[in-house]
Amino acid sequence: AQKVTQAQTEISVVEKEDVTLDCVYETRDTTYYLFWYKQPPSGELVFLIRRNSFDEQNEISGRYSWNFQKSTSSFNFTITASQVVDSAVYFCALSEESYNTDKLIFGTGTRLQVFP
Amino acid sequence: DSGVTQTPKHLITATGQRVTLRCSPRSGDLSVYWYQQSLDQGLQFLIQYYNGEERAKGNILERFSAQQFPDLHSELNLSSLELGDSALYFCASSVELAPSYEQYFGPGTRLTVT
Repeated sequence: AQKVTQAQTEISVVEKEDVTLDCVYETRDTTYYLFWYKQPPSGELVFLIRRNSFDEQNEISGRYSWNFQKSTSSFNFTITASQVVDSAVYFCALSEESYNTDKLIFGTGTRLQVFP
Repeated sequence: DSGVTQTPKHLITATGQRVTLRCSPRSGDLSVYWYQQSLDQGLQFLIQYYNGEERAKGNILERFSAQQFPDLHSELNLSSLELGDSALYFCASSVELAPSYEQYFGPGTRLTVT
């Protein structure tokens, strides 16, 4: 079964703290893609990253970094030196190649609140 | 701005009514997706079109239907509305039919059924 689990419903941190958002996925496919999206209070969904199942290299983009570990079926997202503007709901999502559709299967999201 | 447009931004209607949500994909994108975001169900895939043809269906109710027109814009029709249909409806588009291409989301249409 395809499933994405984000066990952390809500996280609160103070500005400049580092924070890690967890994502665990389930799939029977060998080829799949993992995504992170950000949903700020304004409501739109903003694409952050896509990672395919054959690329386990960690990725860093500014204060954002992602750790993909197939052995634990996890794709965690770390924000370093968090800022108030990082306050949003963050969604992890999965897309599989074998089902003739690239629909996204989303986790339930983690609400991050960064306080000044 | 993702380049995906959705109209209207807000919609308030009564139970039993019918509404149409409209989506214009990014220029050049052939694939259009509809997702529903509700407090109960989270973000769920509804339906996908590729170059005018239905490609996949998710948890879409029979009261809901969609289509993609020759100019690639898409409409989602919701009929016999119920209170539980109140949600944020997103349209997304992608260049091709493959997960190796990211989906860009529109701003959403917030539907309130009273």
